Amino acid sequence: GENVEQHPSTLSVQEGDSAVIKCTYSDSASNYFPWYKQELGKRPQLIIDIRSNVGEKKDQRIAVTLNKTAKHFSLHITETQPEDSAVYFCAASISQGNLIFGKGTKLSVKP
Amino acid sequence: GAVVSQHPSWVICKSGTSVKIECRSLDFQATTMFWYRQFPKQSLMLMATSNEGSKATYEQGVEKDKFLINHASLTLSTLTVTSAHPEDSSFYICSARDNRGNNEQFFGPGTRLTVL
Repeated sequence: GENVEQHPSTLSVQEGDSAVIKCTYSDSASNYFPWYKQELGKRPQLIIDIRSNVGEKKDQRIAVTLNKTAKHFSLHITETQPEDSAVYFCAASISQGNLIFGKGTKLSVKP
Repeated sequence: GAVVSQHPSWVICKSGTSVKIECRSLDFQATTMFWYRQFPKQSLMLMATSNEGSKATYEQGVEKDKFLINHASLTLSTLTVTSAHPEDSSFYICSARDNRGNNEQFFGPGTRLTVL
């Protein structure tokens, strides 16, 4: 089955800097890759997603890139703010299949 | 976006009792819902896939007789933790997949279960 690896497990950046979180997946049939942000004790919130027919997608300060050949995808957050501090999860799935989550990255943005 | 509710938001119970958690899609229909368990500082672990009108599909290592799932309508799935024990204490989160969507899942707010 699908296996998703996520790095780093913790990331600390200075406010205004960029943050990059990377994930790899094992199943070449996976074609949907969402990213979730989870604040302590709250539900995961979808922040951006990408499908296998696209290499990059951007939404304001957040971007995701996908390399299908290498089977990895990355989340990029620019101009980080303290409110970006949270745990971020990547996930992968085959169309209409289950989401398989990475282990999460705890992002801390220091003011 | 689509809204998913979960009830109760937290529950404390004695060991040996059963606890029912409800997951509702409020403004969309969901043939498929998912139940996850999340331990502190860990990722979401899929427990089972709930399918409206049919039996749930459980992940390896999850006891179907302990975690009873019922998905009786297109907007409601329930998870019952039977004979709960302290090791069942966790954060349980459901998600629902919009029938009209492209595999996007919307999460409920979670239920914090504490078994004494």
